[in-house]
Amino acid sequence: DADVTQTPRNRITKTGKRIMLECSQTKGHDRMYWYRQDPGLGLRLIYYSFDVKDINKGEISDGYSVSRQAQAKFSLSLESAIPNQTALYFCATAGTDTQYFGPGTRLTVL
Amino acid sequence: RKEVEQDPGPFNVPEGATVAFNCTYSNSASQSFFWYRQDCRKEPKLLMSVYSSGNEDGRFTAQLNRASQYISLLIRDSKLSDSATYLCVVRNSSYKLIFGSGTRLLVRP
Repeated sequence: DADVTQTPRNRITKTGKRIMLECSQTKGHDRMYWYRQDPGLGLRLIYYSFDVKDINKGEISDGYSVSRQAQAKFSLSLESAIPNQTALYFCATAGTDTQYFGPGTRLTVL
Repeated sequence: RKEVEQDPGPFNVPEGATVAFNCTYSNSASQSFFWYRQDCRKEPKLLMSVYSSGNEDGRFTAQLNRASQYISLLIRDSKLSDSATYLCVVRNSSYKLIFGSGTRLLVRP
């Protein structure tokens, strides 16, 4: 079984809809991250969490919110999706320097 | 200016060739350095960490020059399976990773 899982893997939605992307990990790591990837821009950090009570904004947090429900779970929400949030979203976990990524969620906002 | 800059490529090389990628970073306080590999539409995976003394892992050699704020990756005897995007990554003091936008490598038969 994969150490870092993301659901859903693909999602098409409409402008204005609320969307939640979920991430679970079995690695026992405290640090978890959400990134989005766009062509030519690389990975950009949306939010990160160093433990259940610690949530921090990344470089592009506007339009997003997160919830760290447990050490193993970190969810990303788009309260009102817009087309420029169409991207590939990755969750990652880290115990030390190395980050381990989930398989990604491909989100399309029409 | 981007915090981590890479040539996007693509580098198109024949099997068996040696190819080198370079990366520059702007924050002199960056603490750790890495190369990640990303296959098309897949998640990034750690290829190797980069140490000040340089390090080698099989056909892959990584080097760091802190004075010039420069990181390199050398791939010898390229294989078809090396075709991927290579991401230069630096870690700052708050355990955040900063990713370059990647260099694409195509190895042809």
